[in-house]
Amino acid sequence: DGGITQSPKYLFRKEGQNVTLSCEQNLNHDAMYWYRQDPGQGLRLIYYSQIVNDFQKGDIAEGYSVSREKKESFPLTVTSAQKNPTAFYLCASSPGTQPGEQYFGPGTRLTVT
Amino acid sequence: DAKTTQPTSMDCAEGRAANLPCNHSTISGNEYVYWYRQIHSQGPQYIIHGLKNNETNEMASLIITEDRKSSTLILPHATLRDTAVYYCIVRGRGSTLGRLYFGRGTQLTVWP
Repeated sequence: DGGITQSPKYLFRKEGQNVTLSCEQNLNHDAMYWYRQDPGQGLRLIYYSQIVNDFQKGDIAEGYSVSREKKESFPLTVTSAQKNPTAFYLCASSPGTQPGEQYFGPGTRLTVT
Repeated sequence: DAKTTQPTSMDCAEGRAANLPCNHSTISGNEYVYWYRQIHSQGPQYIIHGLKNNETNEMASLIITEDRKSSTLILPHATLRDTAVYYCIVRGRGSTLGRLYFGRGTQLTVWP
């Protein structure tokens, strides 16, 4: 089945630790995105990548880093510099011909204590 | 980017049509209207998009007014599984064509 996978579904970390969230897609999509969602809020864009080896900051990139070494993969690292890392993280991808038609993974719920 | 305004919540009886409105009065001529929905604790799901003509697919219909300042998403026969937050989004301008701005959306509750 084609789709986007995110792992793990739930993640717990101690404050001060970096953590990397996985996102893989087998849809052959060019673009990939990371969003953050806080309770009762909409989604906010963290980073996005339109092609391999290139990515741009979204609206809330501080404290996060990404890489795009392969078309299928777009991992997100939440660093210790992120002041409020506890959130629901969503990865998405879209084809180059329809960038507004984004397909989302199931999300990773990160809790930092 | 054009801003959208949606009601915070709506409800609908199962089997009836759900009509979700959205205002986007500052939309520009080359901006599309997209609709997504998000079932609790899941990733959002793309529903439909349009530019100026009405659109229909297996999930829903999208009606865009002639002046393009508002639109309505129609779920013709709502089911309990349609209970979700529905987002109306106008696609970002400029070179970052893939950017989508998700607001708080409309919480649709379908009751039996």
